[in-house]
Amino acid sequence: TQLLEQSPQFLSIQEGENLTVYCNSSSVFSSLQWYRQEPGEGPVLLVTVVTGGEVKKLKRLTFQFGDARKDSSLHITAAQPGDTGLYLCAGLSNSGYALNFGKGTSLLVTP
Amino acid sequence: GAVVSQHPSRVICKSGTSVKIECRSLDFQATTMFWYRQFPKQSLMLMATSNEGSKATYEQGVEKDKFLINHASLTLSTLTVTSAHPEDSSFYICSASIAGGYYNEQFFGPGTRLTVL
Repeated sequence: TQLLEQSPQFLSIQEGENLTVYCNSSSVFSSLQWYRQEPGEGPVLLVTVVTGGEVKKLKRLTFQFGDARKDSSLHITAAQPGDTGLYLCAGLSNSGYALNFGKGTSLLVTP
Repeated sequence: GAVVSQHPSRVICKSGTSVKIECRSLDFQATTMFWYRQFPKQSLMLMATSNEGSKATYEQGVEKDKFLINHASLTLSTLTVTSAHPEDSSFYICSASIAGGYYNEQFFGPGTRLTVL
């Protein structure tokens, strides 16, 4: 099993602050995906990164894939209460079909 | 596009009964569907991979006779929890992968909260 470690596990910040969430592995992934999940709902895909060193932006969210394709980061600028949720990174398993999920980062943004 | 639905969204049942959960891809064909379970404040744990027209592949530690999966069409997969017990109470989430899609991106259903009394 290719393990993905996410940090921090929990993060509580105030509106307007910046934050970075990390997703690390000792394994190489062909692609990494980031999801956001709200309580009682299924995860929603935010982005897929494929190329080592790739940077993708989604409004205030910036995603980066490490050069060696073993790690990724999610940076949120000027966080808002609507950003509150569980952020999950996931990489394709060796089978090429199933996803291995990290344990997630629970983010709380207070007004 | 890429909408996945699950039914029911919540179910409460007595111990010993069986519960069926449906997962449908509404606007695309899904050759592969996945079933996950999630305990409170934890990440998703893959239970099984379901391919249309063939037997599901179960992850280690998941009892295939307890968690019956049927993937009869390209838009429907079902998970039946047989003889449910309180320890089976969990949030069950399905996902579907678009046939020939971009890097096997998965689109998730809204989940089913199962409570076994």
